[in-house]
Amino acid sequence: DIVMTQSPSSLAVSAGETVTINCKSSQSLLYSGNQKNYLAWYQQKPGQSPKLLIYWASTRQSGVPDRFIGSGSGTDFTLTISSVQAEDLAIYYCQQYYDTPYTFGAGTKLELK
Amino acid sequence: QVQLKETGPDLVQLTQTLSITCTVSGFSLTTYNVHWVRQPPGKGLEWMGAMWNGGGTDYNSAFKSRLSISRDTSKSQVFLKMNSLQTDDTAKYFCARSGGYNLYYVMDAWGQGASVTVSS
Repeated sequence: DIVMTQSPSSLAVSAGETVTINCKSSQSLLYSGNQKNYLAWYQQKPGQSPKLLIYWASTRQSGVPDRFIGSGSGTDFTLTISSVQAEDLAIYYCQQYYDTPYTFGAGTKLELK
Repeated sequence: QVQLKETGPDLVQLTQTLSITCTVSGFSLTTYNVHWVRQPPGKGLEWMGAMWNGGGTDYNSAFKSRLSISRDTSKSQVFLKMNSLQTDDTAKYFCARSGGYNLYYVMDAWGQGASVTVSS
């Protein structure tokens, strides 16, 4: 199985700050056939189901604010949230869909400082 | 409007079988895939398996032969059945959709989840 390692596990921020969440996979998620990285990012707020933010490592889902930016390739990926707002406080998960079983990172909890 | 809704028991006895139904609306099961993902209380997400739009299935081997996923396309329902339940199967169980344009493998819509407690 592909292991997804996220860091940090939690992050305390003030509104307006820029934050970076890292995700590392145990094998490359870049498929040579289409040069796409099979990596998604989800946001989960308390008591809610996960919400898709980013797919193909850097494509923003429709309706997701442009302050959410996904980057990276191969085994190393980053979710950057610029100018964090109170509504962004949540747990963020990366997930690989390169191969089954699909696997998630352990999550990064974004909290208010 | 795309919707997925999980229905199932709140409580299941130890070693018994869990059955959850995911009823979908706003899309067809013959066009989109449905995945099952679970989340133990206070913990992360675990992909359990998928029913693909063509009728095939994929399972996480972590569940060995305990898990079965099936569907009734005429009722727009996907079913999860898992036997030999243990206390560490206590979790919220989500169904989620994939299969949109450029999103064949990506879960872009989720149900609210069904919370299941395994009791001894």
